[in-house]
Amino acid sequence: AQSVTQPDIHITVSEGASLELRCNYSYGATPYLFWYVQSPGQGLQLLLKYFSGDTLVQGIKGFEAEFKRSQSSFNLRKPSVHWSDAAEYFCAVGTNAGKSTFGDGTTLTVKP
Amino acid sequence: GAVVSQHPSRVICKSGTSVKIECRSLDFQATTMFWYRQFPKQSLMLMATSNEGSKATYEQGVEKDKFLINHASLTLSTLTVTSAHPEDSSFYICSASPRTEFISPQHFGDGTRLSIL
Repeated sequence: AQSVTQPDIHITVSEGASLELRCNYSYGATPYLFWYVQSPGQGLQLLLKYFSGDTLVQGIKGFEAEFKRSQSSFNLRKPSVHWSDAAEYFCAVGTNAGKSTFGDGTTLTVKP
Repeated sequence: GAVVSQHPSRVICKSGTSVKIECRSLDFQATTMFWYRQFPKQSLMLMATSNEGSKATYEQGVEKDKFLINHASLTLSTLTVTSAHPEDSSFYICSASPRTEFISPQHFGDGTRLSIL
């Protein structure tokens, strides 16, 4: 069975600073990996996805993530954080049947 | 882009009431939809896979008779929480992908906040 670990429960960064959110996964086959963002009381919005090919993927809102098979990681990065980026971030591993397993999430707080 | 609509967005009702939540794919057809439950400050837990024209597949520990799922068409799945009690209060989210996309990601509805008094 697949699993996802997000080691950081809560991260605080200053506006304009860089950001990295960690994600480690466990999956027996080639993983399909995703990062989602959730604002309070809302559903999830897809930031980016990795299926195959280039291990550095670009997403919306200036986010990128790098797939490292040797480390079973798929960390999310952004060079300069904006106050509007404050939200809950979920890493997920998916199967080709559409089922996804989510990490416990990382809450991002942005200081002015 | 693909849009999933979930209704209602918020429900407050008395204990013992049954509550129906709808999940619609607005501009695509979905043979499979997923229902998740999210407790405050926690991750999404998959409850069941809704299959168009057949029975839903429930995850371990999820009561089938408590959470009734119907996927009557390629654009609509419903989750009915039967005889709801306070412990059923939660945030319920559905997701779906176009049937032409063999691989997810899923498109998520905005969720339903269920509060049982």
